[in-house]
Amino acid sequence: LAKITQPISMDSYEGQEVNITCSHNNIATNDYITWYQQFPSQGPRFIIQGYKTKVTNEVASLFIPADRKSSTLSLPRVSLSDTAVYYCLVAPTGGYQKVTFGTGTKLQVIP
Amino acid sequence: DTGVSQDPRHKITKRGQNVTFRCDPISEHNRLYWYRQTLGQGPEFLTYFQNEAQLEKSRLLSDRFSAERPKGSFSTLEIQRTEQGDSAMYLCASSLGGPYNEQFFGPGTRLTVL
Repeated sequence: LAKITQPISMDSYEGQEVNITCSHNNIATNDYITWYQQFPSQGPRFIIQGYKTKVTNEVASLFIPADRKSSTLSLPRVSLSDTAVYYCLVAPTGGYQKVTFGTGTKLQVIP
Repeated sequence: DTGVSQDPRHKITKRGQNVTFRCDPISEHNRLYWYRQTLGQGPEFLTYFQNEAQLEKSRLLSDRFSAERPKGSFSTLEIQRTEQGDSAMYLCASSLGGPYNEQFFGPGTRLTVL
């Protein structure tokens, strides 16, 4: 199983760009990397997914280096409503039972 | 609201009792997943269905856990002879297409075993 590590917590001021890095050293060739956001007492919500290089959507960017052993979620100009826990997920194509969530990064946005 | 719904939202039970949770996915979604989440941890995969077929189960899922999706719509997760270690948030998610597509999660059922 992929072992995933993320920083436990991060603080940022409103309006700043936040980068959260996830380490997945033993990611397999066909594994995808996905990020989810979770607010207290709610289920996770999909943010972005990628396989390699860079992916961008309307809310975030995902940077994946060539060796794919890490990935960085970038949130531009965060607001107070971005305060949440962010999970990195490695989803293997070789069997979903091997899916592994990271332990999550609690982001606190400060006014 | 056309999102994923779960019932009940909270369940308190005594050790040794059986409990059953229900999940109603987004109607056109063919895949349905169950996860367990304990405090401070990421969700842990339990099982998933494609339509009514249970395709995968986590090796961590004990024999006391069983899940069904009888008509390919709603699903139930039953835990028999509950133990205090079963206390957790049980999350359901659904997706359209392959398991690596975006999953839509419900609000979860919080189980407390006394």
